[in-house]
Amino acid sequence: EDQVTQSPEALRLQEGESSSLNCSYTVSGLRGLFWYRQDPGKGPEFLFTLYSAGEEKEKERLKATLTKKESFLHITAPKPEDSATYLCAAGHYNTDKLIFGTGTRLQVFP
Amino acid sequence: SQTIHQWPATLVQPVGSPLSLECTVEGTSNPNLYWYRQAAGRGLQLLFYSVGIGQISSEVPQNLSASRPQDRQFILSSKKLLLSDSGFYLCAWSLAGANTFGSGTRLTVV
Repeated sequence: EDQVTQSPEALRLQEGESSSLNCSYTVSGLRGLFWYRQDPGKGPEFLFTLYSAGEEKEKERLKATLTKKESFLHITAPKPEDSATYLCAAGHYNTDKLIFGTGTRLQVFP
Repeated sequence: SQTIHQWPATLVQPVGSPLSLECTVEGTSNPNLYWYRQAAGRGLQLLFYSVGIGQISSEVPQNLSASRPQDRQFILSSKKLLLSDSGFYLCAWSLAGANTFGSGTRLTVV
């Protein structure tokens, strides 16, 4: 069964304290691994797509990496405005459907 | 550029009442369209997706239905709401790859 699991469920960081979020996936035929940011009461905002193991993408303080079984979202020197829920999703090869994890709720304190 | 509109933003409905949520996409043709539901503290659950006018696939059995009367219009409906239908409903579109989400509708069934 296709499945996406994110850890930890919640993460509290001091401003400037770097860390990583994990997304492990089991999908028969991965089309892409997607990362989103979601603020409370809003729709998810697209961050990255990774297509193959070894691929990396960066945006400001965020860097996403991909292996054959998991993806990491690295947050370097986070700021309070990085506080949000981060969702990952796996796309199946034959469809445009995405399978979402339950997210990691990140809080960054000044 | 492409935009997605979803309304209303919030809705409070009594049990047993009907529901109609509308989503429209601008700036693209023949997109894949999706309805998701997000329960509190949980991930996104795909409810319906559509690859074209009149073509609807249901992902989970439920009290809801979807229709696509026009290429860029997607409607989520119910004849009689249940308490368990409460949640955050999100519409999304894609051509190939990442889903782009609307701003969501917070539905509370009382």
